[in-house]
Amino acid sequence: ILNVEQSPQSLHVQEGDSTNFTCSFPSSNFYALHWYRWETAKSPEALFVMTLNGDEKKKGRISATLNTKEGYSYLYIKGSQPEDSATYLCAFTDSGYALNFGKGTSLLVTP
Amino acid sequence: EAQVTQNPRYLITVTGKKLTVTCSQNMNHEYMSWYRQDPGLGLRQIYYSMNVEVTDKGDVPEGYKVSRKEKRNFPLILESPSPNQTSLYFCASSLSWGRVTGELFFGEGSRLTVL
Repeated sequence: ILNVEQSPQSLHVQEGDSTNFTCSFPSSNFYALHWYRWETAKSPEALFVMTLNGDEKKKGRISATLNTKEGYSYLYIKGSQPEDSATYLCAFTDSGYALNFGKGTSLLVTP
Repeated sequence: EAQVTQNPRYLITVTGKKLTVTCSQNMNHEYMSWYRQDPGLGLRQIYYSMNVEVTDKGDVPEGYKVSRKEKRNFPLILESPSPNQTSLYFCASSLSWGRVTGELFFGEGSRLTVL
């Protein structure tokens, strides 16, 4: 089992605040890093799949960066909205065959 | 509509009574996988399949079986369920050519309680 760590475990911000989370993974034998958004009572939905060191991806107000050499990825949310409240999961694979998920960062955005 | 469908969505059963959770996808995906979600733990992979007749163990395969006889279906079998298999189960699929290069599409989840 590969260790994937996410921090913080939970986060509470006000509407309009920008925020970021961290995903740490083993820095050897990197293949891909996934980010998912998981709303309560729904299924996880993919945000990004990142495969190259230095990758930066963006979807609306959400963006992510990847550093495979040091083994971390950041997820940024600009101008958080209440609808951004969810658990954000990262998942790492070193082989491409099995994904190892972190425990997630739970984000609450209040008006 | 592209989707991954799991059944049943909710089930309460008793120890030892064999059950199957079905998973079907309509996206012609090669890769399919089962995960379980427990409080305080991340999604943990049970089994995965790279293609028809190709399956492999994930991190927590004990007590589970799978089969992949058709590309669209990947059932999860609990031959003799025990209370420690009480969990929320997710099936997921991905378009891949031997490796998981694309995003996972998840089913809606199956909440299983074993008494």
